[in-house]
Amino acid sequence: ETGVTQSPTHLIKTRGQQVTLRCSSQSGHNTVSWYQQALGQGPQFIFQYYREEENGRGNFPPRFSGLQFPNYSSELNVNALELDDSALYLCASSPGQINEQFFGPGTRLTVL
Amino acid sequence: AQSVTQLDSQVPVFEEAPVELRCNYSSSVSVYLFWYVQYPNQGLQLLLKYLSGSTLVKGINGFEAEFNKSQTSFHLRKPSVHISDTAEYFCAVSESDNFNKFYFGSGTKLNVKP
Repeated sequence: ETGVTQSPTHLIKTRGQQVTLRCSSQSGHNTVSWYQQALGQGPQFIFQYYREEENGRGNFPPRFSGLQFPNYSSELNVNALELDDSALYLCASSPGQINEQFFGPGTRLTVL
Repeated sequence: AQSVTQLDSQVPVFEEAPVELRCNYSSSVSVYLFWYVQYPNQGLQLLLKYLSGSTLVKGINGFEAEFNKSQTSFHLRKPSVHISDTAEYFCAVSESDNFNKFYFGSGTKLNVKP
């Protein structure tokens, strides 16, 4: 059984640019959540997708957007990057809306 | 609003000693509780979870946690730690009326010394 995978592993962008991060959920999981983990902090909930629809959002501005595809993989898009967007972005999938979440290894985004 | 507090940012302990990592939360509704471990440059791995039933929950790698509703706590314990337990540990909470959103604490770094 393949776990949650994320790409790319690392990414360097400059302020004002746009970035797309990708996540493949674990087989059989229809729910994907995205988190931002700044250095030295716990993960902060960005949003969740359930069956291709956004199903909850944290306190992040609209320049953070996402998609979920029919195969339940997902993308996180961030526009107009700011220095404070530098963080580890974690994707987590689950077999439903409740219960535990299975995390991927993350994408380390650095904004210069 | 939901908040999760991990009182200790760092916990040094000698190998084979017992350890307790503390977690307190604030919520006015029923909650689901989780502990995750994060090794360097890796994602989060679930250690254990409390959804309902017995308040003493056993997880992987010899860890256990006890849900105390009156004290709104979910402390993680291990009777004898190993060097390989060195990692960062995160407590997480979701609420029964908004269970798709996980709230994480700021983490506790466990440093096991030989």
